[in-house]
Amino acid sequence: NAGVTQTPKFQVLKTGQSMTLQCAQDMNHEYMSWYRQDPGMGLRLIHYSVGAGITDQGEVPNGYNVSRSTTEDFPLRLLSAAPSQTSVYFCASSYSKSGRTLYEQYFGPGTRLTVT
Amino acid sequence: AQSVTQPDIHITVSEGASLELRCNYSYGATPYLFWYVQSPGQGLQLLLKYFSGDTLVQGIKGFEAEFKRSQSSFNLRKPSVHWSDAAEYFCAVRPGNEKLTFGTGTRLTIIP
Repeated sequence: NAGVTQTPKFQVLKTGQSMTLQCAQDMNHEYMSWYRQDPGMGLRLIHYSVGAGITDQGEVPNGYNVSRSTTEDFPLRLLSAAPSQTSVYFCASSYSKSGRTLYEQYFGPGTRLTVT
Repeated sequence: AQSVTQPDIHITVSEGASLELRCNYSYGATPYLFWYVQSPGQGLQLLLKYFSGDTLVQGIKGFEAEFKRSQSSFNLRKPSVHWSDAAEYFCAVRPGNEKLTFGTGTRLTIIP
């Protein structure tokens, strides 16, 4: 199993550009989520999904969109990049049962995004 | 408000010395508790977890953590650190079916 994979590893954007961060998992996990990591702030939840076709907002959703058309993929879209979105982004997945997230989350290697 | 606190931003320990990283939470009931480690430039790896039962849990890489309900704490320990333990450590808490909440992390430096 590859686990959770993320592409790209690094990205530089100009203010106003849009892009999609890719996330895929091959563990058949129902629950997937996106976090951003900023110095001194730990990881903050952006969006999450409890299954294909179901998404919801986390703690810091503004400026980001997600969709979940398959169990395996959970892309994160930046609609119009801003310098405040400079961060490291992590995708994670977890087992889920009846819509409840269970047990630990497995994390991807991260995408380091810089917006100039 | 519900929260997870890691009071130590940065800890420096000599190689071979013991280690304790602190984690406190404020939730009404006992949540699920986790410790993750992040090496530089890497993602997060689960060290150990507590759901119920024995309050002393063993994890990977020789780490253990003890859940103390009376203190709302879940401190991470290792009897003898190795240079490869230098990393950032995150405590995370999930109360029931709610979202996973992370502490702000503790950066561990190991000196020879």
